[in-house]
Amino acid sequence: QQPVQSPQAVILREGEDAVINCSSSKALYSVHWYRQKHGEAPVFLMILLKGGEQKGHDKISASFNEKKQQSSLYLTASQLSYSGTYFCGTEPHDYKLSFGAGTTVTVRA
Amino acid sequence: EAQVTQNPRYLITVTGKKLTVTCSQNMNHEYMSWYRQDPGLGLRQIYYSMNVEVTDKGDVPEGYKVSRKEKRNFPLILESPSPNQTSLYFCASSLSAILAGYNEQFFGPGTRLTVL
Repeated sequence: QQPVQSPQAVILREGEDAVINCSSSKALYSVHWYRQKHGEAPVFLMILLKGGEQKGHDKISASFNEKKQQSSLYLTASQLSYSGTYFCGTEPHDYKLSFGAGTTVTVRA
Repeated sequence: EAQVTQNPRYLITVTGKKLTVTCSQNMNHEYMSWYRQDPGLGLRQIYYSMNVEVTDKGDVPEGYKVSRKEKRNFPLILESPSPNQTSLYFCASSLSAILAGYNEQFFGPGTRLTVL
């Protein structure tokens, strides 16, 4: 069962911040975040494990609230290179990794 | 170079003509998976394999077959393709079969399939 991502799309100016949310109806072991540039394969950003830890990757960070089965990805001081589609992937208590429908981020100069 | 390769990258075929999309990884990964990507639906898992000879259905397995006879290869077979299988397909692999979510997924470059 796919997690739900919001918003579907966001447009930013360079330097602005954004939050992408991901929620699941199932208890989760982990949450993945990937970014896909147009015409390319998804690329791994980070994994968050149950325990509520927050992780960072440059100025992109994420949190995982396992009780609420939610994760949020934070884009801080966005750069042009942040443009792309962001996918969260959730893993409940099995070996299946389900991805959300994606959030398209456009960063303009 | 560590990578996941897929072939072909582009394929146009007709309804009912059996086809195979190959996937190979050179990282000695245990876990491999196939996804299809459609606009507005994101990535949906078709099948996955935890190791050689161990495969299981993902969320959208209908109309597809897979096999895992060698650790490095995980071909996707469409025995009788239909137009609703027109999509962008990605193969991915990760290090361990134990709770795939603990491991980064490496994606292949994708195969764009059109079924007429």
